Amino acid sequence: RKEVEQDPGPFNVPEGATVAFNCTYSNSASQSFFWYRQDCRKEPKLLMSVYSSGNEDGRFTAQLNRASQYISLLIRDSKLSDSATYLCVVNRGNTDKLIFGTGTRLQVFP
Amino acid sequence: DVKVTQSSRYLVKRTGEKVFLECVQDMDHENMFWYRQDPGLGLRLIYFSYDVKMKEKGDIPEGYSVSREKKERFSLILESASTNQTSMYLCASSLVGSGTDTQYFGPGTRLTVL
Repeated sequence: RKEVEQDPGPFNVPEGATVAFNCTYSNSASQSFFWYRQDCRKEPKLLMSVYSSGNEDGRFTAQLNRASQYISLLIRDSKLSDSATYLCVVNRGNTDKLIFGTGTRLQVFP
Repeated sequence: DVKVTQSSRYLVKRTGEKVFLECVQDMDHENMFWYRQDPGLGLRLIYFSYDVKMKEKGDIPEGYSVSREKKERFSLILESASTNQTSMYLCASSLVGSGTDTQYFGPGTRLTVL
């Protein structure tokens, strides 16, 4: 079983749509959770950290369910500029090492 | 503005050559990382360093070594390049240990080994 698993997609959605991505992780000792965004042929960049209580940043909402070892990202009112690959990232136990999922590709069309 | 730079965007080498990939960060970060990214496999950690002259193996260190002589610079060395080391190599840095800090990535080096 992979340490971090994501649906690779692609998710093809029209502008204005709401889309949700899910991710599961295998290490129950993980403490830090993130969503990174990676544009085509670019480096990954932090989109948002994920906190136990859930958190929101504009159109983006992240949720964490520790009991199910499950992380989600919700994007509301999708924009063309949201087209990218979204990486679910979890730290390995109590270490500085981050484990990256293989990413979920989102394509927003007009 | 945080900045991580890598010495080359594209590199073509021949099998058996020694290859140096350089990474420099200007944020005074303690931690630096080298990853490779391959389709369907995601980012995999090769080595990381949490201080000058300190290094730890990641998940796939075989065939690689690293050097960190100065805080801002972290080098990845392929002692004898092989075709299976053709990949995108990404360097990253972060401020402190604990796993809770953002990793900032360089633009990547796409290495092709012929």
